[in-house]
Amino acid sequence: AQKITQTQPGMFVQEKEAVTLDCTYDTSDQSYGLFWYKQPSSGEMIFLIYQGSYDEQNATEGRYSLNFQKARKSANLVISASQLGDSAMYFCAMRLLYSGSARQLTFGSGTQLTVLP
Amino acid sequence: KAGVTQTPRYLIKTRGQQVTLSCSPISGHRSVSWYQQTPGQGLQFLFEYFSETQRNKGNFPGRFSGRQFSNSRSEMNVSTLELGDSALYLCASSLEPRGNTEAFFGQGTRLTVV
Repeated sequence: AQKITQTQPGMFVQEKEAVTLDCTYDTSDQSYGLFWYKQPSSGEMIFLIYQGSYDEQNATEGRYSLNFQKARKSANLVISASQLGDSAMYFCAMRLLYSGSARQLTFGSGTQLTVLP
Repeated sequence: KAGVTQTPRYLIKTRGQQVTLSCSPISGHRSVSWYQQTPGQGLQFLFEYFSETQRNKGNFPGRFSGRQFSNSRSEMNVSTLELGDSALYLCASSLEPRGNTEAFFGQGTRLTVV
């Protein structure tokens, strides 16, 4: 079974500073994908970034980058130049790539990020 | 391009009643998954549909069921509602059920059972 651990229930960051949200995962499978989602108070889950287990380079999407360390089984999200609109709950998730019966997303417990003006 | 649409956004039901939630995926997406989000259990997978067939099911009682139509729209039904069914129900759509395809979520349906 897959497991995602997010050890930071809440984080604070000053506007315009960078912040790292931690995520570790556990799976015995070699082929998997890692996702980060943002959930504002409205409830919608907004896709931010994806990293495949075979991708050699860290994924980047605008101000978001994923610090992927396969040997340590970590997939930390780095948000550069934080904005007030970044305040939200952030979820790390994983999905096996080829397993026929286990393609669902497994989520961590989330990190509530608050950006301070 | 329209996103994932879930209706209704909010719902209040009484214990013992049944409820049907609807999800319209992004145009062209054929895979729809449902998740339940509660403060205590977090985000849990309910089921996944592709081409009108249930491909995968989470660990939920039989009171939870779903279906997918030929236009990829999906509905989920919860019968004999319990207080513990109060949750945010999220629908996600993907082009197809491959692990490396992005899953896009709707805004969810917030169900309150009283």
